[in-house]
Amino acid sequence: QKEVEQDPGPLSVPEGAIVSLNCTYSNSAFQYFMWYRQYSRKGPELLMYTYSSGNKEDGRFTAQVDKSSKYISLFIRDSQPSDSATYLCAMSERSSGTYKYIFGTGTRLKVLA
Amino acid sequence: EAQVTQNPRYLITVTGKKLTVTCSQNMNHEYMSWYRQDPGLGLRQIYYSMNVEVTDKGDVPEGYKVSRKEKRNFPLILESPSPNQTSLYFCASSSRTGYNYEQYFGPGTRLTVT
Repeated sequence: QKEVEQDPGPLSVPEGAIVSLNCTYSNSAFQYFMWYRQYSRKGPELLMYTYSSGNKEDGRFTAQVDKSSKYISLFIRDSQPSDSATYLCAMSERSSGTYKYIFGTGTRLKVLA
Repeated sequence: EAQVTQNPRYLITVTGKKLTVTCSQNMNHEYMSWYRQDPGLGLRQIYYSMNVEVTDKGDVPEGYKVSRKEKRNFPLILESPSPNQTSLYFCASSSRTGYNYEQYFGPGTRLTVT
């Protein structure tokens, strides 16, 4: 079993829809949770990060972490064609000097105009 | 402009011919890391470095070497490349201070080993 599972999609939605992207994980030591966006032929760029459980909102994006269920989500409100990209979740322990990151496989999102 | 640069961007080589992919950042970041990205497997960490002369293995270090002699540079060395190392490689850097976990990624290096 992979440490981080993410549905690869592709996910197609109409413009203006609410998008929900999810990852599950198995390592209870993960404390830091991140969402990256990757456009075609580009490197990933950080969208949001959260520490431990809870919600975090930034504009149209909301990140949720449920450590009890080992489940994280990214919600995109009022989705736009420019949101079409691959979304990667990432997690890290960052303890005892460990700076390892584990990424999900990414979900490809297409927002249709 | 704050950035991570990688060279070369594209490379086709043959099995066994040693190669180096360079990575440089201009943000004075302590932390640097190398990843490979493969379809269906996502981004996997190869090696990371927490500062000069401090490196550690990620999830898939076999067949790779790294060195960190200067803070800004973190080259990835494939001493005897094999076809299973054909992949898209990304270098990333971040600051270790506070709660800033943003990794800045380079543009990627597409490597083909025949």
